[in-house]
Amino acid sequence: EAQLVESGGSVTRPGGALRLSCEASGFAFRDFGMSWVRLVAGKGLQWVADINWNGVTIRYEESVKGRFIISRDNAKNSLYLQMSSLRPEDTALYYCARQWTVSGRLLRMDVWGKGTAVNVSS
Amino acid sequence: QSVLTQPPSVSAAPGQKVTISCSGSSSNLGDNFVSWYVHLPGRAPKLLIYDNDKRPSGIPVRFSGSKSGTSATLGITGLQTGDEADYYCATWDSRLSTYFFGTGTKVT
Repeated sequence: EAQLVESGGSVTRPGGALRLSCEASGFAFRDFGMSWVRLVAGKGLQWVADINWNGVTIRYEESVKGRFIISRDNAKNSLYLQMSSLRPEDTALYYCARQWTVSGRLLRMDVWGKGTAVNVSS
Repeated sequence: QSVLTQPPSVSAAPGQKVTISCSGSSSNLGDNFVSWYVHLPGRAPKLLIYDNDKRPSGIPVRFSGSKSGTSATLGITGLQTGDEADYYCATWDSRLSTYFFGTGTKVT
């Protein structure tokens, strides 16, 4: 069974940094693109960033560009999100998800983790 | 700010049917497939419908999807108490190169 497990969420001050991790099992991680998605309380789901199977193609949602970096290590079946210059509005539950794309268009996310919580507060 | 608009909530009695609308534009729903996700608090979001009207393995036939132009609809028949959750449409926006989730609809 395909599974994703996130970790690394914590409480941090505005301007701080955190690194989230997502460990995959039960499927060929190196064959799939991956996304980070966050659930913001009262606002719903928001796509944050994605990375293709080999890490060459990376895309970000506008509000995190220049602050977040998505990366992966296929040898470790792991996905990462390095977050810096954190803001209170980055407070959310962060999920990693396996994605399907065609011609660069993200079609769907069919395997999700249970999330890791990030709280940015002074 | 999402480019996909959903009603904040819909409600119906057990056994009844509900429909959830999702409205977008030519660069997102008008140009790409729609997916639907369900999210229960404390649980991982789950894919319900993909490619407008396809159900992943294990999703009951009670759930259906359709798309026409720049709008999409999720239908749930034979409503069960376990269906109480938040439902999101989602699609790629070709102009913004961003994946958008809808504003979300709470089903009660």
